[in-house]
Amino acid sequence: KAGVTQTPRYLIKTRGQQVTLSCSPISGHRSVSWYQQTPGQGLQFLFEYFSETQRNKGNFPGRFSGRQFSNSRSEMNVSTLELGDSALYLCASSSEGTYNEKLFFGSGTQLSVL
Amino acid sequence: LAKTTQPISMDSYEGQEVNITCSHNNIATNDYITWYQQFPSQGPRFIIQGYKTKVTNEVASLFIPADRKSSTLSLPRVSLSDTAVYYCLVGERGNIPTFGRGTSLIVHP
Repeated sequence: KAGVTQTPRYLIKTRGQQVTLSCSPISGHRSVSWYQQTPGQGLQFLFEYFSETQRNKGNFPGRFSGRQFSNSRSEMNVSTLELGDSALYLCASSSEGTYNEKLFFGSGTQLSVL
Repeated sequence: LAKTTQPISMDSYEGQEVNITCSHNNIATNDYITWYQQFPSQGPRFIIQGYKTKVTNEVASLFIPADRKSSTLSLPRVSLSDTAVYYCLVGERGNIPTFGRGTSLIVHP
């Protein structure tokens, strides 16, 4: 079974631009969650999607948004990029996204904002 | 919500056993304890999960005392490749896992 796939692996953008990151979960998994990881703040939860619906959302501004498609693939979008958005963005999938369920992570997208 | 506390960093040498303790005083009855490992520029990887007493797999052991207010991840005979950040998670209601800062383990030759 293929693991969680994130594309692109690296991305360089300038302030004010927008970016879209993609995540393909493990086949059969219906829950996809996104995390931002920075040296200063650690791993922070962005949002979680299940069956094309956002089920949970972390404490991030509205510039951060996402969606999930009928095949469970997910995208996240960051608009009006700021320098502080430079981070490793991680996607994780799980079967149902239920309480205590094991998460499977992708290798992430390293975003640099110049 | 159950908050976890772990040491920020630990050092060890190849071949030694490493024990990383996590405190979770407010753990709820239904919460499981899960540990993840993360290498630089990669996503975290599941290591082990338990509810009480002891759980062992091919990678690690997890010891949980009767009161479940703490847990200890035990890595037997570590090697250089075990250098990573280790996160302790306690099941969060509302399905929002909180990873915290984790424990940075450095294994020396």
